[in-house]
Amino acid sequence: DQQVKQNSPSLSVQEGRISILNCDYTNSMFDYFLWYKKYPAEGPTFLISISSIKDKNEDGRFTVFLNKSAKHLSLHIVPSQPGDSAVYFCAASVATDSWGKFQFGAGTQVVVTP
Amino acid sequence: DAGVTQSPTHLIKTRGQQVTLRCSPKSGHDTVSWYQQALGQGPQFIFQYYEEEERQRGNFPDRFSGHQFPNYSSELNVNALLLGDSALYLCASSPRLAGGLAKNIQYFGAGTRLSVL
Repeated sequence: DQQVKQNSPSLSVQEGRISILNCDYTNSMFDYFLWYKKYPAEGPTFLISISSIKDKNEDGRFTVFLNKSAKHLSLHIVPSQPGDSAVYFCAASVATDSWGKFQFGAGTQVVVTP
Repeated sequence: DAGVTQSPTHLIKTRGQQVTLRCSPKSGHDTVSWYQQALGQGPQFIFQYYEEEERQRGNFPDRFSGHQFPNYSSELNVNALLLGDSALYLCASSPRLAGGLAKNIQYFGAGTRLSVL
């Protein structure tokens, strides 16, 4: 039962343009969402998070938008840089669950071209 | 400040064998989670350890077991290996906040690549 879905396995974007990554979830209990970035041969690295009490969170070039009614979140990267080429995972959890179990999507491979 | 470290980095086993993977959490972290990442998929939660006890478990059979030591390091054991157990095994750590809630950001190691032949 895949409760977090990233329906685009890959995305190619030109350097300097905007990258938009999408994530959908089915479990209405999820109230905390994160994006992780993963380079080959490395573990996932935390990028940005958002609580369900917000609809937007920004950190430098990265902005996450949350639409609770649609059970949808997106990650915007502006401007995209070659170093952003990586696999991006969306993850969701129930913040009040004291043991912090995460559900991950399958990931989106981003390639930033010069 | 060392991050999450895992050993070994790669491992090859044959069906039916048993394997032990090791993880040292980031300094100051006392909660360790294990994930299995199959090729082309996202990490799947196996279980989480805190205060040397398994606190939560994902949808994995009893062949998967673990342990946490007093220094917060952890082991993942898999018995009777199947071909389908071939995957990247990730360890993640997080600190426990005042009030007992887990901090909702986990820090990952680079993983152990297990191949079952």
